[in-house]
Amino acid sequence: DGGITQSPKYLFRKEGQNVTLSCEQNLNHDAMYWYRQDPGQGLRLIYYSQIVNDFQKGDIAEGYSVSREKKESFPLTVTSAQKNPTAFYLCASSIAGGRGTGELFFGEGSRLTVL
Amino acid sequence: GENVEQHPSTLSVQEGDSAVIKCTYSDSASNYFPWYKQELGKGPQLIIDIRSNVGEKKDQRIAVTLNKTAKHFSLHITETQPEDSAVYFCAAKGYNFNKFYFGSGTKLNVKP
Repeated sequence: DGGITQSPKYLFRKEGQNVTLSCEQNLNHDAMYWYRQDPGQGLRLIYYSQIVNDFQKGDIAEGYSVSREKKESFPLTVTSAQKNPTAFYLCASSIAGGRGTGELFFGEGSRLTVL
Repeated sequence: GENVEQHPSTLSVQEGDSAVIKCTYSDSASNYFPWYKQELGKGPQLIIDIRSNVGEKKDQRIAVTLNKTAKHFSLHITETQPEDSAVYFCAAKGYNFNKFYFGSGTKLNVKP
């Protein structure tokens, strides 16, 4: 089945450590996105990528980094510079980014807790 | 940029009643309007969407209406069931937009 796979589902981190969240899609989508969701809150865009080897900052990029070396993969690193990293992280993809209005599909999310 | 507002933030209905969630958008270039359902601890799932060339779309108990002139669109759920309880998000995107713009979400509680 085609879809978006996020891992790990749960992750615990000590303060000062970097962690990387994985996102893989086999939908052959060009565009991929990372969102952050805090309890009872909406979706805030961290980074997005419309094509391989290119990505743009979203609304809350500080303390995060991404790479897009392969079409199917868009890992997110939460760095020690992120002051409040405990949150639910969602990866998404769509067939086209800047041009077109293809459907946006989400993964099941990764819950990061900083101890 | 685009701004999407969603109301109400919480909605409680009795099983079997209808539920309506409303969203407004600001940019007339938006032409695609999806609705997502998010259950606790899971990723949002697309439940219905509408493009600007139609005014209404139905899928069983769920319908979406779009008023381009007024720049608002609504989700209608009829004959609600307890399993409809979740958080619902609306979104908007235009052909030349780099990203989707989301509403702040509505927590729907269907009481048995």
